[in-house]
Amino acid sequence: GAVVSQHPSRVICKSGTSVKIECRSLDFQATTMFWYRQFPKQSLMLMATSNEGSKATYEQGVEKDKFLINHASLTLSTLTVTSAHPEDSSFYICSASGGQLRGYEQYFGPGTRLTVT
Amino acid sequence: EDKVVQSPLSLVVHEGDTVTLNCSYEVTNFRSLLWYKQEKKAPTFLFMLTSSGIEKKSGRLSSILDKKELFSILNITATQTGDSAVYLCAGAVGTSYGKLTFGQGTILTVHP
Repeated sequence: GAVVSQHPSRVICKSGTSVKIECRSLDFQATTMFWYRQFPKQSLMLMATSNEGSKATYEQGVEKDKFLINHASLTLSTLTVTSAHPEDSSFYICSASGGQLRGYEQYFGPGTRLTVT
Repeated sequence: EDKVVQSPLSLVVHEGDTVTLNCSYEVTNFRSLLWYKQEKKAPTFLFMLTSSGIEKKSGRLSSILDKKELFSILNITATQTGDSAVYLCAGAVGTSYGKLTFGQGTILTVHP
């Protein structure tokens, strides 16, 4: 169990457009989902934490108007990169946690590689 | 601010060698320390350590946590080329829904 999927796995978009990335927990209810960003040869940087039905909590320095997060159900969270610019090109990874019932362990999705041209 | 520091940042060994990866942490409301292996995609879970001094093992990999010294090590014995990856450790917070703070990672390269 504990499978997390992300879609799309890879996306190329033009500067100024918006891109939506989906994160789904396939076989458990994710009370909390996390969104990370990873630049080449760097570690994962937490962008935001989202709980189902409430507003996301963003880390310092992450623009909430640029990176819109919606956690509409216990199995789906979306990250929308609005008005994308080339510097937004990165690897975006989500993780899902089943909370206390599952020992707070985070299960990672396979990631989405975003390239903004 | 929470901080996790890994060393070395990179390591090159030959097959059969034993390696030790280090992770020190300063995490407010610390609950547990996690180790992940990352190849080309997202990290895969290796260990979660909550108690001090109890070694966790999985095949050739083992890990232990020292909560007094705020430190953990990951050992890999008889390394294989398939062990080449980035190894990440992360501190988990006891509140904030289990938020993880990741270290910068150790890039391990195992040559045949």
